[in-house]
Amino acid sequence: AQRVTQPEKLLSVFKGAPVELKCNYSYSGSPELFWYVQYSRQRLQLLLRHISRESIKGFTADLNKGETSFHLKKPFAQEEDSAMYYCALMGANAGKSTFGDGTTLTVKP
Amino acid sequence: EPEVTQTPSHQVTQMGQEVILRCVPISNHLYFYWYRQILGQKVEFLVSFYNNEISEKSEIFDDQFSVERPDGSNFTLKIRSTKLEDSAMYFCASSEAGEAFFGQGTRLTVV
Repeated sequence: AQRVTQPEKLLSVFKGAPVELKCNYSYSGSPELFWYVQYSRQRLQLLLRHISRESIKGFTADLNKGETSFHLKKPFAQEEDSAMYYCALMGANAGKSTFGDGTTLTVKP
Repeated sequence: EPEVTQTPSHQVTQMGQEVILRCVPISNHLYFYWYRQILGQKVEFLVSFYNNEISEKSEIFDDQFSVERPDGSNFTLKIRSTKLEDSAMYFCASSEAGEAFFGQGTRLTVV
């Protein structure tokens, strides 16, 4: 069974502070992991996928298979980072994607 | 930049009525998905569709629901007899084989 856990429903930091949004997963095979972001009144957008190992908008995420985690990090949060963040796992054959409950990040000035 | 588009953006329907939500996926994508998000809750997978058939579906996707790709461009979700608890935001997504690109969603309100 696929499962994604985002333990923090809400996360609030000050501008310029580091931020880490936690994600843990459970999957028997080799997962593909993603972070999606949903800004207020906008559609879900892909932020990162673990395969690409890119840094987007200053965010990075490293897949840790030993800890089954895919935490999202940014060293210096900006106010425009305030949004809902979802960690998602896609199983084999581009089938079902399972989303975590989401974390609402608020970056205060 | 190509986008997934969904129509309508908001649909209000009476309980028991049939509703069809429409989606135009990105043209060269092969995998299509429907998700829903009840207000205040997480995004939930409904169904994935590949090669003109359902490849996977969740327990939410019962006999009330069906999907169709009636022509080369549209991908529809039909709810046969809507219930109050079907009220949610429904997202369509498509992918080549990897990350999914989402539409802006259709807000379905069942009254």
